Amino acid sequence: AQKITQTQPGMFVQEKEAVTLDCTYDTSDQSYGLFWYKQPSSGEMIFLIYQGSYDEQNATEGRYSLNFQKARKSANLVISASQLGDSAMYFCAMRENWGAQKLVFGQGTRLTINP
Amino acid sequence: NAGVTQTPKFRVLKTGQSMTLLCAQDMNHEYMYWYRQDPGMGLRLIHYSVGEGTTAKGEVPDGYNVSRLKKQNFLLGLESAAPSQTSVYFCASSSWTVTDTQYFGPGTRLTVL
Repeated sequence: AQKITQTQPGMFVQEKEAVTLDCTYDTSDQSYGLFWYKQPSSGEMIFLIYQGSYDEQNATEGRYSLNFQKARKSANLVISASQLGDSAMYFCAMRENWGAQKLVFGQGTRLTINP
Repeated sequence: NAGVTQTPKFRVLKTGQSMTLLCAQDMNHEYMYWYRQDPGMGLRLIHYSVGEGTTAKGEVPDGYNVSRLKKQNFLLGLESAAPSQTSVYFCASSSWTVTDTQYFGPGTRLTVL
């Protein structure tokens, strides 16, 4: 069974600093996808970034990058130059690339950006 | 293009009452999902559907039923609500493309007294 572990319940970072949110995963599948979502206090789920298990380069989307280390089964999210609006819950998720393509979520990390 | 919509946004039930949550998507997606999110936790899959007329159980299906009579709609039913079903419910849909994200609705906050 697939499992996602996020070991940081909360993080506090100064504005403009870079921040790394940790995510490790466990799966016996060879083909899978890794996603990060942001959930602000308003509650909606916002897609941030995707990494495929066969992608050789780390994914990047603006200020977001995914540090993918396949051998270590880790998929850390890096946010560069953090902003006050980055304060939110962040969820790492893994998707099976077969059948119903179900997502499995981690428990999340609450990120607080201090001015 | 509204994406994924959920009705209602908020609901308060008494123990034993029933209700149906409606999810609608206008992206012609084959796959649809219902999740619940409890405080301080990630989303957990309740039921899902891979196409019109098909449904299957997810990780936490007990106490819920679903139906997908039309491709664009996915209904989640609670036949006899319990306080343990107090949660935020999210619907999502996705295409067959494995690199594509699931698209989430805004959520329904349900309280069972």
